[in-house]
Amino acid sequence: EAGVTQFPSHSVIEKGQTVTLRCDPISGHDNLYWYRRVMGKEIKFLLHFVKESKQDESGMPNNRFLAERTGGTYSTLKVQPAELEDSGVYFCASSLFRATGELFFGEGSRLTVL
Amino acid sequence: DQQVKQNSPSLSVQEGRISILNCDYTNSMFDYFLWYKKYPAEGPTFLISISSIKDKNEDGRFTVFLNKSAKHLSLHIVPSQAGDSAVYFCAASAQGGGGADGLTFGKGTHLIIQP
Repeated sequence: EAGVTQFPSHSVIEKGQTVTLRCDPISGHDNLYWYRRVMGKEIKFLLHFVKESKQDESGMPNNRFLAERTGGTYSTLKVQPAELEDSGVYFCASSLFRATGELFFGEGSRLTVL
Repeated sequence: DQQVKQNSPSLSVQEGRISILNCDYTNSMFDYFLWYKKYPAEGPTFLISISSIKDKNEDGRFTVFLNKSAKHLSLHIVPSQAGDSAVYFCAASAQGGGGADGLTFGKGTHLIIQP
């Protein structure tokens, strides 16, 4: 069975440009999460989808970040316009049940903003 | 304000010995704790977890201990093997509500197993 897949694996853009990251969760997993790790720091929660609904977006840094999960399958995270401090690795994770807390992570999308 | 703290950025242990990774938390709403392991250029993978109603959970070479009064947990790996070299993240969640849906992670500890 395929795991969580993320695209692109690495994106280099200039400040002010737009980037869209995509995540395909494990098939059948209703719960989809986005996390971000800035260099050397902790992995931080951004938001949580249950199917196509945003359950919790309390971790989203600001309104330059927009996440969608149309149809409850794959999800996209758009950063527009990108700033230098947005650089980091963006992880997507999915799970069948929320309660256990055990998440299956993708390999991450590394974003570098110059 | 970090709610989950891993105060050792790195730890070096000889192969065959015990590795002990520590984690402290401040939020008393946390009731479920997990350890994830991460290799370079890969996503974190789940290792072991423990509910706050327990003080120990064991899975093969891995044991997690929870001391609720001290708000401290530790991961023991016995015996340590070369393939255990990785970054280990401690994470916590408030299953009973009262917090964000996601896991709260520490900064990680880089475990290096020496031959």
